[in-house]
Amino acid sequence: DGGITQSPKYLFRKEGQNVTLSCEQNLNHDAMYWYRQDPGQGLRLIYYSQIVNDFQKGDIAEGYSVSREKKESFPLTVTSAQKNPTAFYLCASSIWSAGGYTEAFFGQGTRLTVV
Amino acid sequence: DAKTTQPNSMESNEEEPVHLPCNHSTISGTDYIHWYRQLPSQGPEYVIHGLTSNVNNRMASLAIAEDRKSSTLILHRATLRDAAVYYCILRVGGSQGNLIFGKGTKLSVKP
Repeated sequence: DGGITQSPKYLFRKEGQNVTLSCEQNLNHDAMYWYRQDPGQGLRLIYYSQIVNDFQKGDIAEGYSVSREKKESFPLTVTSAQKNPTAFYLCASSIWSAGGYTEAFFGQGTRLTVV
Repeated sequence: DAKTTQPNSMESNEEEPVHLPCNHSTISGTDYIHWYRQLPSQGPEYVIHGLTSNVNNRMASLAIAEDRKSSTLILHRATLRDAAVYYCILRVGGSQGNLIFGKGTKLSVKP
């Protein structure tokens, strides 16, 4: 089945450590996105990528880094510079059509907790 | 990015229709209106989108005002599984089309 997969579902990190969240899609989508969600809040955009080897900062990119070496993969690294990394992280992908980008498909999320 | 305004919460009875409103008075001509919903601890799920004309799919209907400054998501018969946070989002056509989320409307469905 086609879809978007995030792993792991739960992740614990010690303060001062970097950690990488995985996002893979087999939908052949061009664009991929990373969002952060805090309790009771909407989603905020961290980074997005429209094409391989290119990505752009979203609204809250500080303390995060990404890469897009393959079309199907868009990993997110939460660095030690991110002061408050405990949150629910969501990855999404979308395809380009004549009218622009169509609906986005989301993964099931990774819940990151700093201990 | 153009903003949307939604009520924080709404309640509905099971088996009854639900009308979820969204105001987007600063919408531009190339903005598509998208709706997503999110269940607790899950990723958002696409519901429907449209540009000017009303749209129907197996999940819902989208009614768009003639001036496009507001829209309404219609769930024809609410079920308990429809209880979720519903997000109304404007997505720029012909561009990177980033989805900018607000806080959405939390829909409760009573049996």
